[in-house]
Amino acid sequence: ETGVTQTPRHLVMGMTNKKSLKCEQHLGHNAMYWYKQSAKKPLELMFVYNFKEQTENNSVPSRFSPECPNSSHLFLHLHTLQPEDSALYLCASSPTALALGEQYFGPGTRLTVT
Amino acid sequence: KQEVTQIPAALSVPEGENLVLNCSFTDSAIYNLQWFRQDPGKGLTSLLLIQSSQREQTSGRLNASLDKSSGRSTLYIAASQPGDSATYLCAVIETSGSRLTFGEGTQLTVNP
Repeated sequence: ETGVTQTPRHLVMGMTNKKSLKCEQHLGHNAMYWYKQSAKKPLELMFVYNFKEQTENNSVPSRFSPECPNSSHLFLHLHTLQPEDSALYLCASSPTALALGEQYFGPGTRLTVT
Repeated sequence: KQEVTQIPAALSVPEGENLVLNCSFTDSAIYNLQWFRQDPGKGLTSLLLIQSSQREQTSGRLNASLDKSSGRSTLYIAASQPGDSATYLCAVIETSGSRLTFGEGTQLTVNP
């Protein structure tokens, strides 16, 4: 596989569930990002990892917990979510966190919280 | 705080028409501006990136212009095709270089 992949593509979960989103990049990049895209709102940056270290947390609630075990993989662990957390979650990568203009995006995970 | 606005929110045109999408930003201290395309249920694909020192960039039927002083960019699509139907997003990187700030997008439909 090439590029940036995300699994699952669709996820429905209850507010008491725990689930994880996975992102994998095959581009040899060192920076990875999580974005949230809600209906009728601009794309919001959630987290940035550069060389496996978290460099930005955009005031994201603690019910979202990121994990970056290596430069190729990024996870977003979810627990006790709210219905307003339903959105498209996009992962992206770039050569480094300084190369913001060279981000490659995955297809996203469509999350529905019931 | 940087804010990016895109007008119109939605646009429907017949095939073959030339069209312009607009993007404005509130803080002119940008490093560069980028146009993306997003197909339904999919991620973003970068179309054009304009450095702050540039006035425009062209790729095929697409031409993007940048007027940094007035905080505006336009994406011109020539001879539109049904395959151009998608949401077009504008994003800026500020000189602090810390993040991309996105607009809400323009949803384009090109009718055959």
